[in-house]
Amino acid sequence: QKEVEQDPGPLSVPEGAIVSLNCTYSNSAFQYFMWYRQYSRKGPELLMYTYSSGNKEDGRFTAQVDKSSKYISLFIRDSQPSDSATYLCATPNTGGFKTIFGAGTRLFVKA
Amino acid sequence: DAGVTQSPTHLIKTRGQQVTLRCSPISGHKSVSWYQQVLGQGPQFIFQYYEKEERGRGNFPDRFSARQFPNYSSELNVNALLLGDSALYLCASSLWGEGNYGYTFGSGTRLTVV
Repeated sequence: QKEVEQDPGPLSVPEGAIVSLNCTYSNSAFQYFMWYRQYSRKGPELLMYTYSSGNKEDGRFTAQVDKSSKYISLFIRDSQPSDSATYLCATPNTGGFKTIFGAGTRLFVKA
Repeated sequence: DAGVTQSPTHLIKTRGQQVTLRCSPISGHKSVSWYQQVLGQGPQFIFQYYEKEERGRGNFPDRFSARQFPNYSSELNVNALLLGDSALYLCASSLWGEGNYGYTFGSGTRLTVV
């Protein structure tokens, strides 16, 4: 079993839709969770990080962590064509010296 | 302020050759990590250096080595290149050793082994 599982998609939505991206993880000791956005031929860009369970909002983006089910989500409201990218969920291992990434979900937002 | 800079951006090498990739972290950041990203997959951890000491190593063969210099820049070396080493190599910079608050990544070096 992979430590972080993420559906690779692709996910295609019309402009203005609400997007839900999801990951599961296996180790209940993981405490910090991140979402990165990666455009083609670029490095990942940190969108948000959260600690433990709960929600965190930043503009059109909301990150949600449910530690009881080991489930993390990223919601994008009013999606734009510029949101078309690969979204990676990630968590540092205990000790924090390495980050474990999901496979990434490719998102296409159609104008 | 400049972000994380990596060089070269692209290179093509022949099987069996050796390659050196370079990374300069954000000014003031003391930690540099290296990740390998194969097409269609998430980044895989190779090394982390903090204050010039290796703090962690991923599940990669001894052909992979790295070091961090007094100015906190870093090099990743790969010897005896295999076709399977073809990937995007990413350098990540952070202020501290723990990655709990995320990293700033460079744009990567795309290595093609033929």
